[in-house]
Amino acid sequence: DQQVKQNSPSLSVQEGRISILNCDYTNSMFDYFLWYKKYPAEGPTFLISISSIKDKNEDGRFTVFLNKSAKHLSLHIVPSQPGDSAVYFCAAMRGNTGKLIFGQGTTLQVKP
Amino acid sequence: GAGVSQSPSNKVTEKGKDVELRCDPISGHTALYWYRQSLGQGLEFLIYFQGNSAPDKSGLPSDRFSAERTGGSVSTLTIQRTQQEDSAVYLCASSLGGTTGELFFGEGSRLTVL
Repeated sequence: DQQVKQNSPSLSVQEGRISILNCDYTNSMFDYFLWYKKYPAEGPTFLISISSIKDKNEDGRFTVFLNKSAKHLSLHIVPSQPGDSAVYFCAAMRGNTGKLIFGQGTTLQVKP
Repeated sequence: GAGVSQSPSNKVTEKGKDVELRCDPISGHTALYWYRQSLGQGLEFLIYFQGNSAPDKSGLPSDRFSAERTGGSVSTLTIQRTQQEDSAVYLCASSLGGTTGELFFGEGSRLTVL
């Protein structure tokens, strides 16, 4: 039972353009969502998060959008840079459980 | 260092042997997690420790898997009678607890079962 799904295994964009990574979830009890970034041979690192009481959170070039009715969130990176090339994981948490459920990841390649 | 430390970084073992993977969390972090990433797969939740509460073991795939956290700090993940499907990168993470969800991950232990 995959509660958090990233249906696109990979994405390739040109440097300077927008990267849009998508994530869907099935559990309506999730109320906190996060994006993590992972380089090869390293552990994932936290990127940005959003609470279910918001529909948008922005941090520099990174913006996360949440559509609760569609159980969908997306990460926008503008402008994309070659250093953004990595695997991006979407994660969700319910209440104060502290337990994060991750998606399968999307590999982003930003071409110079 | 100040980050999450995992050992060994690489482990090759024969099918049927037991293995132990160690995690040293960031000092002061009350929550500790184990995840694994199999080849081409996402991060699969295994177990979660929060303070002195009973751990959430709901992600452990079989009774061959167990984990301990001693003194609220170091954790050991033990896999008994390893199988080839246990081959994966085992990632440990820690956090301050609470509801922020910001986990700090180690670099992982790559387990290969021959």
